[in-house]
Amino acid sequence: EVQLLESGGDMVQPGGSLRLSCAASGFTFSTYAMSWVRQAPGKGLEWVSAVRDNGGGTWYVNSVKGRFIISRDNSKSTLYLQMNSLRVEDTALYYCARDRRFPDDVFDLWGQGTMVTVSS
Amino acid sequence: DIQMTQSPSSLSASVGDRVTITCQASQDITNHLNWYQQKPGKAPKLLIYDASNLETGVPSRFSGSGSATYFTFTISSLQPEDIATYYCQQNIGLPTFGQGTKVEVK
Repeated sequence: EVQLLESGGDMVQPGGSLRLSCAASGFTFSTYAMSWVRQAPGKGLEWVSAVRDNGGGTWYVNSVKGRFIISRDNSKSTLYLQMNSLRVEDTALYYCARDRRFPDDVFDLWGQGTMVTVSS
Repeated sequence: DIQMTQSPSSLSASVGDRVTITCQASQDITNHLNWYQQKPGKAPKLLIYDASNLETGVPSRFSGSGSATYFTFTISSLQPEDIATYYCQQNIGLPTFGQGTKVEVK
């Protein structure tokens, strides 16, 4: 079955760190760019970060630059998001999404999301 | 950053009604516009890409049109299972989404 499965979400204090994972299955992971998209409680969708199929390029929304790092391990078909210096405003459900036509981003497969709560 | 403005933010319509949502871009994005459906508690689902192309498996009652800065998304005959929030997304630059339109059935 073609799917994405996120994990790693948790409650953390402001200033803390967290690492999210997204395990892909059912398709050739190494041929797709991947993104993280988040959704704060009761709010809309916000693209966070993207990585090329070979990991050779990464992009970030301004609000997370310098704090988040996206990476991937194609041998494990897994996408990661290292989140440092977390802020209350980073609280959200984090989805990983497959981009079938990078750089003209078309997100055609989404995971179920993993919840990150930043609170003291 | 390219800003996407959707309207209305919510709407209520009867089963069988024609429903139209608009999305305006802050600059010309040609046809680099996608539409997603997000049902409550679920992940988003791609419905329309390149402004007017229907994703495989998506019912034909869904359609999209427009170019440059003005786009529309239409449900030709609203069904109960169409209760969801709909988002536009531009992909000519770093991707950005509209704020969403919540569709309810009367």
